[in-house]
Amino acid sequence: AQTVTQSQPEMSVQEAETVTLSCTYDTSESNYYLFWYKQPPSRQMILVIRQEAYKQQNATENRFSVNFQKAAKSFSLKISDSQLGDTAMYFCAFMKLDNDMRFGAGTRLTVKP
Amino acid sequence: DTEVTQTPKHLVMGMTNKKSLKCEQHMGHRAMYWYKQKAKKPPELMFVYSYEKLSINESVPSRFSPECPNSSLLNLHLHALQPEDSALYLCASSWGEDGNTIYFGEGSWLTVV
Repeated sequence: AQTVTQSQPEMSVQEAETVTLSCTYDTSESNYYLFWYKQPPSRQMILVIRQEAYKQQNATENRFSVNFQKAAKSFSLKISDSQLGDTAMYFCAFMKLDNDMRFGAGTRLTVKP
Repeated sequence: DTEVTQTPKHLVMGMTNKKSLKCEQHMGHRAMYWYKQKAKKPPELMFVYSYEKLSINESVPSRFSPECPNSSLLNLHLHALQPEDSALYLCASSWGEDGNTIYFGEGSWLTVV
């Protein structure tokens, strides 16, 4: 069974600064997908970024980027130029090829003005 | 348009009631999902439908009964629930192909009294 571990229950960052959220996972699969989702107080799950395991290049989406280390089974999210609207719960997720997606416990990020 | 619509947004039901949660998407997605999320916890996968067939059932109690009438609709029928079943129920959809991004609805808040 796949497990996803987010070791930072809570983090905070000053507005305009950079923060990195950690995620590790355990799997015996060779092909899979990794995601970061954001869940603001409205509880809507919003996709932040996605990474295919077969791609060595790290995914980027504007201020969001990942550091994907396949051998180490690590998938961290870096948020640059943090904004107040980035305050949310962030979930790391692992998906097998059969659409089975599992989430980590989440990291609550607070961006302070 | 990446919209998944869930109704009702809030539902209060007694333990002897029968009710249903509904989910609809018009993106042409062929996979649909139900997740359950308790407060301060990550979403937990309940069911996956792929091409209108149930492909994953995470050993969910029979008091939860999913139904996929067509590729755009997904229902979750509720009967004889317990207070501990109170949670946010998230519907989601994806193209159903390998690793396609899953898009979530805003959720249905269920309270069992």
